[in-house]
Amino acid sequence: DAGVTQSPTHLIKTRGQQVTLRCSPKSGHDTVSWYQQALGQGPQFIFQYYEEEERQRGNFPDRFSGHQFPNYSSELNVNALLLGDSALYLCASSLAGRGFGNQPQHFGDGTRLSIL
Amino acid sequence: AQSVTQLGSHVSVSEGALVLLRCNYSSSVPPYLFWYVQYPNQGLQLLLKYTTGATLVKGINGFEAEFKKSETSFHLTKPSAHMSDAAEYFCAVSDPTGNQFYFGTGTSLTVIP
Repeated sequence: DAGVTQSPTHLIKTRGQQVTLRCSPKSGHDTVSWYQQALGQGPQFIFQYYEEEERQRGNFPDRFSGHQFPNYSSELNVNALLLGDSALYLCASSLAGRGFGNQPQHFGDGTRLSIL
Repeated sequence: AQSVTQLGSHVSVSEGALVLLRCNYSSSVPPYLFWYVQYPNQGLQLLLKYTTGATLVKGINGFEAEFKKSETSFHLTKPSAHMSDAAEYFCAVSDPTGNQFYFGTGTSLTVIP
């Protein structure tokens, strides 16, 4: 049973470019959340997708956008990259579109994004 | 609004000693509380969670945590540290509607042989 998979594992971009990160949820999960984890910090919630719609959003600018596909996989897009966007981007999946309380999130290993 | 404070960004213990990682939260409503562990170059793995019911929660790898509402705390403990416990530990909180998750800044645990 495959867990959460993310691609690519590492990515190097330059300022002003655009990037797309991909996530496949754990089998049976239908909700995907994205987090940004800067070096030495805890993950920060970016947004959550359920039923192909953004259901909740953290305090991130519109440069961060996403998409969820009918097979529940998801993409995170970041436009006009800044040096401060360098971080580990984590995807987490959960079940049945419910809140975090009763349904644990399963995390992927992340995509390490470096901005030069 | 919810927030999480983890006291001590670095904790060192000897192998076999008690592990105590501290977490305090602030929340306007009774929260859900979690501890996650992160090994180098990996994602986060759930250790344990508190939602309702018994305030002492047992998790994987011998860890447990106790929800103390009066102290707004959810400290993580393990009676005897193993070398394999060396990792980064994150406390997290969500509200009962559960659509957002707030992580602490993490505590790096070092186990000394």
